[in-house]
Amino acid sequence: GAVVSQHPSWVICKSGTSVKIECRSLDFQATTMFWYRQFPKQSLMLMATSNEGSKATYEQGVEKDKFLINHASLTLSTLTVTSAHPEDSSFYICSAIETSAGELFFGEGSRLTVL
Amino acid sequence: KQEVTQIPAALSVPEGENLVLNCSFTDSAIYNLQWFRQDPGKGLTSLLLIQSSQREQTSGRLNASLDKSSGRSTLYIAASQPGDSATYLCAVRPGGFKTIFGAGTRLFVKA
Repeated sequence: GAVVSQHPSWVICKSGTSVKIECRSLDFQATTMFWYRQFPKQSLMLMATSNEGSKATYEQGVEKDKFLINHASLTLSTLTVTSAHPEDSSFYICSAIETSAGELFFGEGSRLTVL
Repeated sequence: KQEVTQIPAALSVPEGENLVLNCSFTDSAIYNLQWFRQDPGKGLTSLLLIQSSQREQTSGRLNASLDKSSGRSTLYIAASQPGDSATYLCAVRPGGFKTIFGAGTRLFVKA
């Protein structure tokens, strides 16, 4: 199957700093990518839909000024958590649709810990 | 509004047993349905994708069926192994790009 790579897999930062997470589709072009947040033992919560060359669409309740999403190319979307606080600590996962079959592929996830 | 429900929420079986995981969805107008596996602390791995025009898909010991009219899909795992222990998620794509996920079934296969 297609491969989606996410980096870093884990990151620890101090409160007030910003952290960038990258999501790359390695062997296909992805005009649409998704960013999720997952709390322990819970299902995925969609945060936003990232569209190449245009602004991301955020789900209700997600602060777009805190979670900046950029989808500058057909293979790369980034999520920047700005002025991170301990409550932003979570597992963040990206996904991309491989359009030929409409199959959804996920990255490995990024564990963010804010001290 | 599309809703996806997975039953059971958790399942523990002895190694070698055949098992069925269930997924139901409320709106039969779907584009496709996908089954995923998630290991603790990891991303999701795609297992099987069933297009709306298809009835089933098979990969190795896994078989997924789709009955749109009744709003149901099942994931059949043959001869379960301890390595199959994970959370299995059913996801429905109604149309457009968004996907609706079930809460998952946590499977534990005992050696």
